[in-house]
Amino acid sequence: GENVEQHPSTLSVQEGDSAVIKCTYSDSASNYFPWYKQELGKGPQLIIDIRSNVGEKKDQRIAVTLNKTAKHFSLHITETQPEDSAVYFCAASHEGTYKYIFGTGTRLKVLA
Amino acid sequence: EAGVVQSPRYKIIEKKQPVAFWCNPISGHNTLYWYRQNLGQGPELLIRYENEEAVDDSQLPKDRFSAERLKGVDSTLKIQPAELGDSAVYLCASSWDLSGATYEQYFGPGTRLTVT
Repeated sequence: GENVEQHPSTLSVQEGDSAVIKCTYSDSASNYFPWYKQELGKGPQLIIDIRSNVGEKKDQRIAVTLNKTAKHFSLHITETQPEDSAVYFCAASHEGTYKYIFGTGTRLKVLA
Repeated sequence: EAGVVQSPRYKIIEKKQPVAFWCNPISGHNTLYWYRQNLGQGPELLIRYENEEAVDDSQLPKDRFSAERLKGVDSTLKIQPAELGDSAVYLCASSWDLSGATYEQYFGPGTRLTVT
């Protein structure tokens, strides 16, 4: 079955710097990759997603890139702000199965 | 638009006691999911409903866990009897799915269960 590895497990950056979180997946049939942000005491919130027919997607300060050949995808946050501090999860899914396989999460701390 | 609603938010019970969690999905969403999230890990799917039908319950420990989604809207997840290892956050999510496509899942705030 699918396995998703996520790195790093913790990441500290200075406010205004960029943050990059990387995930790799094992099932080449996976073709949908969402990213979730989870703040303390809250459920995961979808922040951006990408499907396998594109290599990059941007939404303001957030971007996701996908390399299907290498089977990895990354979340890029630019101009980080203290409110970006949270746990971020990547996931992989195969259309038709609906099952998300989540990574183990990255705790991002943005230092003011 | 209201998001996914879950209750209770927190529950503390002694082992061997029963417990139930309730979820109200986003209006119009036909698919509902229950996940379990252990501390420091990502969510893991327990069961998925399409309308009132459980279409994937392969990860649900059926000896003690049960779920229902009567009328294809609200859902209840039950554990009886609870064990210490059941301590986790139980998340409900919903989505609008058409056959053959994957759509975004929206999560509720979760119920944090502590079994003592």
